[in-house]
Amino acid sequence: AQTVTQSQPEMSVQEAETVTLSCTYDTSESDYYLFWYKQPPSRQMILVIRQEAYKQQNATENRFSVNFQKAAKSFSLKISDSQLGDAAMYFCAYRSGRGSTLGRLYFGRGTQLTVWP
Amino acid sequence: GEEVAQTPKHLVRGEGQKAKLYCAPIKGHSYVFWYQQVLKNEFKFLISFQNENVFDETGMPKERFSAKCLPNSPCSLEIQATKLEDSAVYFCASSQSLPGQGQETQYFGPGTRLLVL
Repeated sequence: AQTVTQSQPEMSVQEAETVTLSCTYDTSESDYYLFWYKQPPSRQMILVIRQEAYKQQNATENRFSVNFQKAAKSFSLKISDSQLGDAAMYFCAYRSGRGSTLGRLYFGRGTQLTVWP
Repeated sequence: GEEVAQTPKHLVRGEGQKAKLYCAPIKGHSYVFWYQQVLKNEFKFLISFQNENVFDETGMPKERFSAKCLPNSPCSLEIQATKLEDSAVYFCASSQSLPGQGQETQYFGPGTRLLVL
């Protein structure tokens, strides 16, 4: 089974600064998708950004961008100009592109991000 | 609807009682996924559906858990004879298609928090 590892249980950043959350994954597949979800205290899961493995270009969504290193199996999330509303638990997730586990998400354990004013 | 709807928001059951959770996927989405998030933030995949057909049930503890997605009705997840360790937040997610077909992002409902006493 695929595994997703988030090695930073907690991170903190000053408002307006930049922070990078790490994620690595283990897979033998070549076709897959990667996601970052944000979970605020309300527990709602909010999609932040997604990346298709076949795309070399790193995905960006406004202040959020990823550094996707396929060979290293690394998928880090960079948050620029951090805002107080960015404070949440962030989950990295992997989704297979084919095979018997097609469709399901594999999640990391999450990184709790604190934003200081 | 435009969002995944889950009911109830909170559910309290005594050990051994039955619990039933409901999920209405986004209109037009063919795939429904159930995940269990326990207190340590760990997500566990339970089951997925393609319309009313079970797509992947390899995550289901079959002795007490069952799920259905019937036409023109919300999907349901039922736990017979709940145990203390079933206390968790249960998330439903839906996607329009599977990976490789486009529109494969999973959108999550707000979750049902189950507490077993």
